[in-house]
Amino acid sequence: GAGVSQSPRYKVAKRGQDVALRCDPISGHVSLFWYQQALGQGPEFLTYFQNEAQLDKSGLPSDRFFAERPEGSVSTLKIQRTQQEDSAVYLCASRADRTAYNEKLFFGSGTQLSVL
Amino acid sequence: GDSVTQMEGPVTLSEEAFLTINCTYTATGYPSLFWYVQYPGEGLQLLLKATKADDKGSNKGFEATYRKETTSFHLEKGSVQVSDSAVYFCALMRGTNAGKSTFGDGTTLTVKP
Repeated sequence: GAGVSQSPRYKVAKRGQDVALRCDPISGHVSLFWYQQALGQGPEFLTYFQNEAQLDKSGLPSDRFFAERPEGSVSTLKIQRTQQEDSAVYLCASRADRTAYNEKLFFGSGTQLSVL
Repeated sequence: GDSVTQMEGPVTLSEEAFLTINCTYTATGYPSLFWYVQYPGEGLQLLLKATKADDKGSNKGFEATYRKETTSFHLEKGSVQVSDSAVYFCALMRGTNAGKSTFGDGTTLTVKP
């Protein structure tokens, strides 16, 4: 596609509810990242995929967070039993990796999650 | 671990004023450095980057020079416009770390006519 697409744009969940956030990266992009951005702060790394392989999940805050990218394109971030502290904007970014790791990231507009 | 520190905002300037947003970093090795910009209602997008010491990144009148001796990557623009109003994020990326990025907390810039 033309850019990184994330859905839904906004999600309101009751505490304890499970949510699934979707990311559709730019076609052909190898690397995919999930970031969490709290209000007034910069994005914080959650997890990284290279094609379908999840190579780094060190930023996932708890075992309630799970991410997958089964066919190396679309990715889903799932949060089980949501808590109020999970409220944040969840950003997805992809990178082509055609030449080097330090190519720029392309970001989606994010999903704003509010847990009540 | 890696970290990026940006000057705190918000910053409010009049049109055509000179802009500096300070950014310093802590990282092992030789990271690449980036400035991303986020306009209202949009996702982050790359503004400029520099991949080695003394490199200067530039785009849309913005500039930043990679200073290894001071571990800094300050963003500058000689004459800001109202359309430059946005949130600016400084970031670093290390190749030995899967290329994942570490971001500063962002600086909100408002330019008044």
